Amino acid sequence: SQQGEEDPQALSIQEGENATMNCSYKTSINNLQWYRQNSGRGLVHLILIRSNEREKHSGRLRVTLDTSKKSSSLLITASRAADTASYFCATEETSGSRLTFGEGTQLTVNP
Amino acid sequence: DVKVTQSSRYLVKRTGEKVFLECVQDMDHENMFWYRQDPGLGLRLIYFSYDVKMKEKGDIPEGYSVSREKKERFSLILESASTNQTSMYLCASSEDYRRYNEQFFGPGTRLTVL
Repeated sequence: SQQGEEDPQALSIQEGENATMNCSYKTSINNLQWYRQNSGRGLVHLILIRSNEREKHSGRLRVTLDTSKKSSSLLITASRAADTASYFCATEETSGSRLTFGEGTQLTVNP
Repeated sequence: DVKVTQSSRYLVKRTGEKVFLECVQDMDHENMFWYRQDPGLGLRLIYFSYDVKMKEKGDIPEGYSVSREKKERFSLILESASTNQTSMYLCASSEDYRRYNEQFFGPGTRLTVL
């Protein structure tokens, strides 16, 4: 299976609620990144967390990283309909700078 | 802003045709990548390049080749297109392999092989 695996595969919430997505991985990493993809478009980088960091914030985004459990979570607070997209985690392994992407979580925020 | 452009948004080709997908980035990035994206499989790395005239195989290079004659341009070539190469193809670039860095993606090319 892939290095990064997101959970859940799909998430549907109401506007204003928080959305939490999880990512698990298998090997040692330099960093973990989260990307967003609107339907039929390219990916856009959201946030990067290094292996020596435990938590990072950017606007309404909060990312945590637990290297002992090889897992990360992305929290989007006070969600908006415009947050509807697929969200991918990607890991950069210690062996090189290529990224390995998970299969993504499809988030739907209902107005 | 970094801009990564891909030559076509949609492309329809016939089985056996030679297909060229072009990608250009305007930020002098060292690294360039080609992925394909399929439902349920996420993004899979086909080929990448850390420098001009340099290429490395990714996870699924079979049936593909690449060319990087200039730093800003990275081309993906399907030597003889097959129906199982119908997919969304995404190009990306990043700054320097020695630094923590993000990848910047193009808008994607949706290729259909008939």
